[in-house]
Amino acid sequence: AQSVSQHNHHVILSEAASLELGCNYSYGGTVNLFWYVQYPGQHLQLLLKYFSGDPLVKGIKGFEAEFIKSKFSFNLRKPSVQWSDTAEYFCAVKEGAGGTSYGKLTFGQGTILTVHP
Amino acid sequence: DTGVSQDPRHKITKRGQNVTFRCDPISEHNRLYWYRQTLGQGPEFLTYFQNEAQLEKSRLLSDRFSAERPKGSFSTLEIQRTEQGDSAMYLCASSFGLADEQFFGPGTRLTVL
Repeated sequence: AQSVSQHNHHVILSEAASLELGCNYSYGGTVNLFWYVQYPGQHLQLLLKYFSGDPLVKGIKGFEAEFIKSKFSFNLRKPSVQWSDTAEYFCAVKEGAGGTSYGKLTFGQGTILTVHP
Repeated sequence: DTGVSQDPRHKITKRGQNVTFRCDPISEHNRLYWYRQTLGQGPEFLTYFQNEAQLEKSRLLSDRFSAERPKGSFSTLEIQRTEQGDSAMYLCASSFGLADEQFFGPGTRLTVL
């Protein structure tokens, strides 16, 4: 069974600092990769996704992620965080090929990001 | 509001009671997913439907759990003889099309006393 590991449980940064959140998965086949964000008091929202093609994907609010197949990684980055980025971030994996896979997401345990003004 | 809705948002029950949750997906979304999330963990898959058909169930879904989607629209998740270990946030998501991007609802928080 596939699993997803997020390296950091809680990350604390000051505004304008750079962010990188690690995500590794264990599955040897083709995968679709996602980062979801949950702002305080809100429900899960999709931040970005990778299905195929360019391994560097850009999402909303200035976030990007890089898929490195050889490392089974999909790390989330942002060059300069803002106070409003304070949230919990979840990496998720779905087995499948390209953009035509249906079925369950396997989530990591989440990383809480706190950004101090 | 055209997002995924869930009802109730909170449920407190005593051990041994039955509870039922409802999920209304985004209109015209043909796939509907249930997940469970406990404190400090990411969501865990429970089951999913494509239209009326329940296509996959997790081993987490014991015999006390049952889910339905009778007309391919809303879905219900019932837990019989609740246990304290069932306390969690129950999330519903819906999707459609080839990309199958899952849109999540606000969840139902269950507390079993």
